[in-house]
Parts: sequence; structure tokens; C-alpha cells
Amino acid sequence: QKEVEQDPGPLSVPEGAIVSLNCTYSNSAFQYFMWYRQYSRKGPELLMYTYSSGNKEDGRFTAQVDKSSKYISLFIRDSQPSDSATYLCAMSAKDSGYSTLTFGKGTMLLVSP
Amino acid sequence: GAVVSQHPSWVICKSGTSVKIECRSLDFQATTMFWYRQFPKQSLMLMATSNEGSKATYEQGVEKDKFLINHASLTLSTLTVTSAHPEDSSFYICSARDRAGGIYNEQFFGPGTRLTVL
Repeated sequence: QKEVEQDPGPLSVPEGAIVSLNCTYSNSAFQYFMWYRQYSRKGPELLMYTYSSGNKEDGRFTAQVDKSSKYISLFIRDSQPSDSATYLCAMSAKDSGYSTLTFGKGTMLLVSP
Repeated sequence: GAVVSQHPSWVICKSGTSVKIECRSLDFQATTMFWYRQFPKQSLMLMATSNEGSKATYEQGVEKDKFLINHASLTLSTLTVTSAHPEDSSFYICSARDRAGGIYNEQFFGPGTRLTVL
């Protein structure tokens, strides 16, 4: 079993839809949870990070962490064609000083106009 | 702020040659830089962690003699792929951690370098 599981998609939605992206993980030591957006042939850019369990909102984006279920989510409201990209979840644990990131494979999102 | 650049963005080379990729933090000092490799539709896999002025720490399964990493200054790290072969063709991405970063110590990623070995 891989440490971080993420459905690769692609996930196709119409403009304006609410998008739900998810990751599951097996290492209970993970404490920081991040979502990155990666456009084709570009490096990842950090969208949001959350420490431990709970929710965090930033504009159209909401990140949720459920440590009891080892499950994290990213919700995108009012999705736009410009949101079309690959979304990667990543996690880190204290034993690495939070410096080692473990990534999911990424979910490709396609938002059609 | 927090910009990381990579050069070149794309390189094609013949099998057996060596290729050097540069990673620079443009507006901050990075004590730690990371090198990742990403195959198509795959996750980013950490290859090594480099700290300024010391030897890099390689992940299990990564050949240190093949992937030479030098972190000579607080703003520059280089990855040299020696005697490259077609199986080394991949997208190489670096990231850097701000020296002044807080407990979270966010990593800022470069735009990546696509290496194609013929």
C-alpha cells in the first residue's frame, strides 16, 4: 500500500461546478497537509496547507483534514476553466522536521466552459 | 517573492553525456534545496536533499554517483546527471526552503527541467 493514494482522474466538470478532490494516507505521523496545483510542464505551486485536523478556507478553495479517517479533501467552488490543472496532495511529518514531502500522484482536473 | 528558477527548462542530449541543471532561489536564501523527479502521470519523487555547504542526502534507490548534487551557495544548487541514458529522461524539479521560514518551512518549487536522452 502506497503512503498516499490519490485518484489520477481525469475529472471533468462544467464551469461553475463544485469540485471535490481527495487523498487518503496510511502514515498517522503526517501532521501537515498541503495541496499543490501544477499546470502542464510547470512546477507545483502551493494552494493551501493545513496543520492537523480541521478546515481551512481561502477564497473559492476549502481544505479539509480528517485525521481519524486519514482522509483529506480540497473543494473548489464556482470552478473556472483556469482551474484546469493537476492537483497534488502532499504531507509531512515531524520526524523529518516537516521537510520531507510525500506526494500523491495528482488528480487531473478539466473544467469546460 | 519566493521565486525559484531552473535552467535549462528543456534539454535534449545524447546517451552517455552529462547534463547539469541549475536551481536558484532568486529573492531569498535557501539553506535547504530538494531535487525531485516526476515521470508522466506520476507523483513527484524526492531524489535528494541538499544543505548549503554539506553533502546531499540521497533517497533510497537514487545513485549518488549518477546524480551529482552541489549546493555551493545559499541561492544555488546544481544537479548533474552523469552518463545519461534514455531511462533518465524525466521532468526534474527543484524546490527551496527559505532560511527565514517558520515552523512550517514551505518549499517553493521551480518550474522544472525536462530532460530527454536520445
